[in-house]
Amino acid sequence: AQKITQTQPGMFVQEKEAVTLDCTYDTSDPSYGLFWYKQPSSGEMIFLIYQGSYDQQNATEGRYSLNFQKARKSANLVISASQLGDSAMYFCAMRAGGGADGLTFGKGTHLIIQP
Amino acid sequence: DAGVIQSPRHEVTEMGQEVTLRCKPISGHNSLFWYRQTMMRGLELLIYFNNNVPIDDSGMPEDRFSAKMPNASFSTLKIQPSEPRDSAVYFCASSRTGDYNEQFFGPGTRLTVL
Repeated sequence: AQKITQTQPGMFVQEKEAVTLDCTYDTSDPSYGLFWYKQPSSGEMIFLIYQGSYDQQNATEGRYSLNFQKARKSANLVISASQLGDSAMYFCAMRAGGGADGLTFGKGTHLIIQP
Repeated sequence: DAGVIQSPRHEVTEMGQEVTLRCKPISGHNSLFWYRQTMMRGLELLIYFNNNVPIDDSGMPEDRFSAKMPNASFSTLKIQPSEPRDSAVYFCASSRTGDYNEQFFGPGTRLTVL
């Protein structure tokens, strides 16, 4: 079975500061994928970034980067130069095994960016 | 391109009634997923299909829940009879098999069972 742990229920960050959202995972499958999704107050799920277990480099997408530490089983999301629009729930998720499997989600982190 | 389409967006019903949620995946995607989101349990995978075939329904809470995918462009999630504890947001998502990068989520259906 897979498990995702997000230990920060909520975070307050000043605008323009960098933010790190923690995520640790557990799986016995050597092949897996790690995802981060953003859920604003409107409710939709927005894909942010993906990291494969065999990827050699950390994934980056614009202001988002994923700090992947395989030995520690962590996949932290880093948001550079935070903006007011970054205020939302953030979910870490994992897909283990083949690409057609469903995602296991963490409980989420509620990020609030303060002006 | 149109994203994943779900209907209805909101549903309010009374306990005991049948509820049917609908989903149209993105054209060309051959994997479809149903998730449920509640405050208590977070986001849970209910069932997923690959090429219209149910692969894993171990997340379906009980026999009151059923899901079908009669063709590549349509899926339903049915609850019969509905109970107040079924109140949640139900998301449908789709992806291409072998495409590891992303599941595209629909806007969700907010279900309230009175």
